[in-house]
Amino acid sequence: DTGVSQNPRHKITKRGQNVTFRCDPISEHNRLYWYRQTLGQGPEFLTYFQNEAQLEKSRLLSDRFSAERPKGSFSTLEIQRTEQGDSAMYLCASSLASTDYGYTFGSGTRLTVV
Amino acid sequence: GQSLEQPSEVTAVEGAIVQINCTYQTSGFYGLSWYQQHDGGAPTFLSYNALDGLEETGRFSSFLSRSDSYGYLLLQELQMKDSASYFCAVSDSDSWGKLQFGAGTQVVVTP
Repeated sequence: DTGVSQNPRHKITKRGQNVTFRCDPISEHNRLYWYRQTLGQGPEFLTYFQNEAQLEKSRLLSDRFSAERPKGSFSTLEIQRTEQGDSAMYLCASSLASTDYGYTFGSGTRLTVV
Repeated sequence: GQSLEQPSEVTAVEGAIVQINCTYQTSGFYGLSWYQQHDGGAPTFLSYNALDGLEETGRFSSFLSRSDSYGYLLLQELQMKDSASYFCAVSDSDSWGKLQFGAGTQVVVTP
């Protein structure tokens, strides 16, 4: 297993466009998390899945954000009608549901909205 | 809700010892984790405490006091490669497995 893989690594988009990111977790991990990180801050929780079920979504997340994990394997995060404030690093992590520690993070997708 | 406090930056010389403190407030504390992140890199898991006391992993140790809602990460025999950001993160029983991260401590190691 090569760890958690995220694509693309970088995305530049114009304001108002839609973007989609993909995350491939470690295969035996049944939990998958999306976080957002801006410069000088810690990762901020967005949402997480256990298998294909989305168990929690941050109250701070607007309706423009949606995530899926259709077969309990890879996940996609879509941002509709992007705004400049969406510019950030989007991190995906995976773990086993039996633990509350030991996330494995991907290298992230850096989004720049111009 | 949850909140975590840790210093924003610590500077030390190679070979020194650095302690990064983390205080937290959460309604149903379960465990405290520590992650390291180099510039442009992914956060990587370092250590975890669910019970009071010290956990040692090589040059890094982590401590927890549940009664004081306090923990620290100890970096010993500092090396240049230890220059990075270090985050504490809590999990609580209300949303078990979901981590809330602090803002991070930038550790700068000088020759």
